[in-house]
Amino acid sequence: EPEVTQTPSHQVTQMGQEVILRCVPISNHLYFYWYRQILGQKVEFLVSFYNNEISEKSEIFDDQFSVERPDGSNFTLKIRSTKLEDSAMYFCASSDPHGQGRDQPQHFGDGTRLSIL
Amino acid sequence: AQSVTQLDSHVSVSEGTPVLLRCNYSSSYSPSLFWYVQHPNKGLQLLLKYTSAATLVKGINGFEAEFKKSETSFHLTKPSAHMSDAAEYFCVVSDRGRNAGNMLTFGGGTRLMVKP
Repeated sequence: EPEVTQTPSHQVTQMGQEVILRCVPISNHLYFYWYRQILGQKVEFLVSFYNNEISEKSEIFDDQFSVERPDGSNFTLKIRSTKLEDSAMYFCASSDPHGQGRDQPQHFGDGTRLSIL
Repeated sequence: AQSVTQLDSHVSVSEGTPVLLRCNYSSSYSPSLFWYVQHPNKGLQLLLKYTSAATLVKGINGFEAEFKKSETSFHLTKPSAHMSDAAEYFCVVSDRGRNAGNMLTFGGGTRLMVKP
């Protein structure tokens, strides 16, 4: 069964540094997402991406965050200047809007654990 | 706006006994509802989904859930727990009235423990 893959599994970064989290969505999917889960808290939506642009973003997704699909397979999340509170598990997901249309579920990767020191 | 409340943060059952994980939701539109499971150090795996067809939904590993609009509930059940069911379970809602790329709203999760 096709999977969403995320790299690295664990990223340790100094506060103030830039970090890029990488994801390879399922190949025929057209919608891409990032979520995060701070330890002990709920999984929170960050951003959705379709047709090479952001379709929706949450209040968390401020100017420090950006997303990109640099080629036909990768989907990245960049945090420009990391803060301690960015420490979390970041999940990438993808979905196929065709077939049953809006009801297609999102498929998640195993996550990247980001630790800011 | 949409929200999800999972009524129990922890549930403990004995192997072979029934499982009930409770979920209530609120949604401005006709919702799609999902249950995801997360095993330790793994990603979120889809267990089942409700998208306006049959109200009783069957998923993987013997789990099922019933959509009750009048109660705004979507509780997850399994007749007989197995040790491998021990994990974190998330009830999730998506507003179907919005764009196809719907954001998901997660409940706080329920940690299921299975005793031998």
